[in-house]
Amino acid sequence: AQSVTQLDSQVPVFEEAPVELRCNYSSSVSVYLFWYVQYPNQGLQLLLKYLSGSTLVESINGFEAEFNKSQTSFHLRKPSVHISDTAEYFCAVTPWGAGSYQLTFGKGTKLSVIP
Amino acid sequence: DSGVTQTPKHLITATGQRVTLRCSPRSGDLSVYWYQQSLDQGLQFLIQYYNGEERAKGNILERFSAQQFPDLHSELNLSSLELGDSALYFCASSSGTSGDNEQFFGPGTRLTVL
Repeated sequence: AQSVTQLDSQVPVFEEAPVELRCNYSSSVSVYLFWYVQYPNQGLQLLLKYLSGSTLVESINGFEAEFNKSQTSFHLRKPSVHISDTAEYFCAVTPWGAGSYQLTFGKGTKLSVIP
Repeated sequence: DSGVTQTPKHLITATGQRVTLRCSPRSGDLSVYWYQQSLDQGLQFLIQYYNGEERAKGNILERFSAQQFPDLHSELNLSSLELGDSALYFCASSSGTSGDNEQFFGPGTRLTVL
């Protein structure tokens, strides 16, 4: 079984400041890792994913996440946030080769960008 | 727009009742997943279907059931509803059953049990 811990439930940050949203996971098997974003009253959208290869992955809107196997972490960062980044962010994992690929989510981190 | 549609958007009903939530996956996607999002439990996987067959079960109550039809749309049936079943129910679809296949989420159905 897998579990995901998002260490901060809420993160307020000023516009144009950097932000880091933390995610740690636990799994007895190798996993794929994902960050999803949920804007108010909307469904979840994939922000970025780590499948294999380079441990640093980037999204098209300036977010990046680094997979750290030894620390079982997949923290999300952005060097300069915008008001439009205000949303809830979910870290998720799914196991390799298990035959079913349901996502196990963390509890979410609400990012509030302050003008 | 993810291409996944869910109806209805909102549902208000009473305890003890039965409701059906409907999901149409993206064109060509064979896998459908159902998730429940509640304030206390967060986002939890309920059940997965692939091409009409049940593939995996998560934390789904016995009062809940689902099916995927030949046209690949899926329905989640919730019966003997309790106050604690109030939640946002998401459907997601993907093209296959590989973990690197992206899951595309619908806008959700908000269920309120009074």
